[in-house]
Amino acid sequence: GESVGLHLPTLSVQEGDNSIINCAYSNSASDYFIWYKQESGKGPQFIIDIRSNMDKRQGQRVTVLLNKTVKHLSLQIAATQPGDSAVYFCAEKGNYGQNFVFGPGTRLSVLP
Amino acid sequence: DAGVTQSPTHLIKTRGQQVTLRCSPKSGHDTVSWYQQALGQGPQFIFQYYEEEERQRGNFPDRFSGHQFPNYSSELNVNALLLGDSALYLCASSLRTGRTEKLFFGSGTQLSVL
Repeated sequence: GESVGLHLPTLSVQEGDNSIINCAYSNSASDYFIWYKQESGKGPQFIIDIRSNMDKRQGQRVTVLLNKTVKHLSLQIAATQPGDSAVYFCAEKGNYGQNFVFGPGTRLSVLP
Repeated sequence: DAGVTQSPTHLIKTRGQQVTLRCSPKSGHDTVSWYQQALGQGPQFIFQYYEEEERQRGNFPDRFSGHQFPNYSSELNVNALLLGDSALYLCASSLRTGRTEKLFFGSGTQLSVL
């Protein structure tokens, strides 16, 4: 069945360092992926997305990499800041009309 | 531009009771999806509404039902509440065009069943 998972459930990084959050997916038919950030007491917030016809996409301080060969997705955050502390989810979507499947999340803690 | 709004923010019910949660989508969006998020887990898809009809449904019993109104707002109803229904209920809205329909989430309703 479909599943989305994360390699690391928790990640601690020093302020100013780069962070890399990983995600594995099992549905090879998934063609659209989103990274969400969820802070305590809030709903998930859209960070960046990528379609399966791309292998890299950059935003402001964030980069998403997609490796379809090994069904792996990663989120890179440059110069990590205290405000980046949150739980990060990857979500995948298959063909048009299917719902998003979310992974269990990775908690990112930024150390001063 | 108002984002997705949900009410109430918190709710306490007892087993066997019924609950109704409400959601107003982001301006311009026509599709509403509901997710259940248990503590420490990722959101789990309940169902999606478009054009006032349930279009997709996740693996949830029919105690969970919903409705979408002509103004695109939506309700989630849960009957015969169980302790295991305690969770954060998230509403997400999107625009049903193309294949990259991004979900925008509200802050959720925290439901506690005692």
